Amino acid sequence: QKEVEQNSGPLSVPEGAIASLNCTYSDRGSQSFFWYRQYSGKSPELIMSIYSNGDKEDGRFTAQLNKASQYVSLLIRDSQPSDSATYLCAVRRSGGSNYKLTFGKGTLLTVNP
Amino acid sequence: DGGITQSPKYLFRKEGQNVTLSCEQNLNHDAMYWYRQDPGQGLRLIYYSQIVNDFQKGDIAEGYSVSREKKESFPLTVTSAQKNPTAFYLCASSAGQGRSTDTQYFGPGTRLTVL
Repeated sequence: QKEVEQNSGPLSVPEGAIASLNCTYSDRGSQSFFWYRQYSGKSPELIMSIYSNGDKEDGRFTAQLNKASQYVSLLIRDSQPSDSATYLCAVRRSGGSNYKLTFGKGTLLTVNP
Repeated sequence: DGGITQSPKYLFRKEGQNVTLSCEQNLNHDAMYWYRQDPGQGLRLIYYSQIVNDFQKGDIAEGYSVSREKKESFPLTVTSAQKNPTAFYLCASSAGQGRSTDTQYFGPGTRLTVL
């Protein structure tokens, strides 16, 4: 069973639409959740982090976490062509001495002008 | 200008050669990490270090070695024992110190190709 699963896509949305990216994880002890954006040929850059159930908004981005369902999502409102990238979901089991992040394989998002 | 630097950006290696990838950070972070990314794959952890002079194996450490002699530096050596070393190598760092909000930030990466 894969630890962190994402739909590989590609997910194609028109400019101005809402893009919804989903991630499920298998470890119920997971406490910290991150979304990274990775442009082709570049390194990942942090978009959002979320630690508590519910929604967290930052500009056009909203992260949603449901620990009971082991599900985390990223919504991108008013999608722009510049949002076209691969989005990586990353999960960490707990704080303390556990530093390890487990990554999904990513979802490729294409925003069409 | 704070950040993480990796060098070189591109590296070509002949089979049987060892190569060393550089990673430097000036963020005063305690923890540093090395990941490998293959096309269409997520990031896989090679090694990580929580503090100077200490490091632990990740999920795919075979054929790799690291050192952490200085807080700001965490070089990765890809040895000839690594069977399929062609990949995109990413270095990351984080404040560490056991906080649940600890966040990893990535360098620009080194693309290694074995000829």
